[in-house]
Order: sequence, then structure tokens, then C-alpha cells
Amino acid sequence: DGGITQSPKYLFRKEGQNVTLSCEQNLNHDAMYWYRQDPGQGLRLIYYSQIVNDFQKGDIAEGYSVSREKKESFPLTVTSAQKNPTAFYLCASSIQVGAQETQYFGPGTRLLVL
Amino acid sequence: GNSVTQMEGPVTLSEEAFLTINCTYTATGYPSLFWYVQYPGEGLQLLLKATKADDKGSNKGFEATYRKETTSFHLEKGSVQVSDSAVYFCALTQGAQKLVFGQGTRLTINP
Repeated sequence: DGGITQSPKYLFRKEGQNVTLSCEQNLNHDAMYWYRQDPGQGLRLIYYSQIVNDFQKGDIAEGYSVSREKKESFPLTVTSAQKNPTAFYLCASSIQVGAQETQYFGPGTRLLVL
Repeated sequence: GNSVTQMEGPVTLSEEAFLTINCTYTATGYPSLFWYVQYPGEGLQLLLKATKADDKGSNKGFEATYRKETTSFHLEKGSVQVSDSAVYFCALTQGAQKLVFGQGTRLTINP
């Protein structure tokens, strides 16, 4: 089955620790995205990548880093510089048909700070 | 810049009631419009979309019509079920620009 997988489903971070969230897609989509969702709120864009080996900051990139070494994979690292990392993290990928783009989302990873 | 405004929730209805969740947008030109649904503890699922004026997107009994004249994309369903309880997000994208989301509307259906 084609789709987007995120792992783990739950992740715990200790103070001062970096953690990495995995996102993999087998949809052959070029673009991938990371969003953060806080309780009762909408989605905010952290980083996005439109092509392998290239990525751009979104609206709230501080304290996060990404890499895009393979088309299928777009891992997100939450660094110790991110002082309030507790949130639900959603990865997405998109296909562009003509001028129209449609994003599809993974199941999410919930990050909790110990 | 582009923006999306949804009706504020939460919305609580009884089973088999008629549902409308309002969504209006601000954009230049002709954006593509989307409704996503998020069930508790899960990611977002694409519910329906419309890419040009007067298009109607539909899926699982939900419908929304792209109204250029009123810059709206209201979500409707004729008879809701308990299983429709979720958070609904209206969103738009335009060309190579990023997806812009509304703030989400929480829907609860009581049996």
C-alpha cells in the first residue's frame, strides 16, 4: 500500500536532548513538509522540501532541523534549543498536477517532554 | 497574503442533523480549496477538494462548492453520524505557495 509513515507514534524527550522524528513516503511525491499542532489549534509549518537535497524554513523553524538525502525520507530533529517541544508533529507530502498541488498527511508523532 | 477563516467551534449536533461548517477565504486569483478531517489522535485525511470556481467536491456524504463570488467553500452533510465527530480544517493553496489552513472546527455528534 502506498502512503506516509511516521515513527514513533509517541516519543519522549529529556531536557537538553535532541530527538529525531521519522517520516517516510512511498508515493513518489517530490515535496515533503513538517507541521506542528498544539492542542486545540491549527497547523504551523516548520520546514518543507520541494526536491532532494534542498529545504526551506517555514513559519516556526527555530529549534528544529531537517535533512532530505532521499526522495522518500524527510526526518525532523527537535533540538535542545526548542524550549517548548511538546506537540503533535505531522508530516505531509504532495503531488503537483499542472498548477494544482494536493498534500497528504501521515498519522503523526506525539512528542512529550519528561 | 492568503488566508482562511472557519466558523468557530465547537459544534455539537444530534445524529441525523444537517451540518454546515462555514469557510471563507482571501486570495488573489484562483486558489485550490480543500477540506481535511482529523479524527482523535490521528493525522489529517483529505476529505474533498475543488480546484476551480463552481466545482463541487464530495466524499462520504460531505459536499462543498467553490463559490468565487462569495469567496466561500462551506462544508455540508445532510445527515451526520456519531462517527463524523472530528476536527475539520478548511485550507487553500495557490500555485507554488504553501498550504494555508483555517483554525479548525471541532464537531461532536451525539447519539
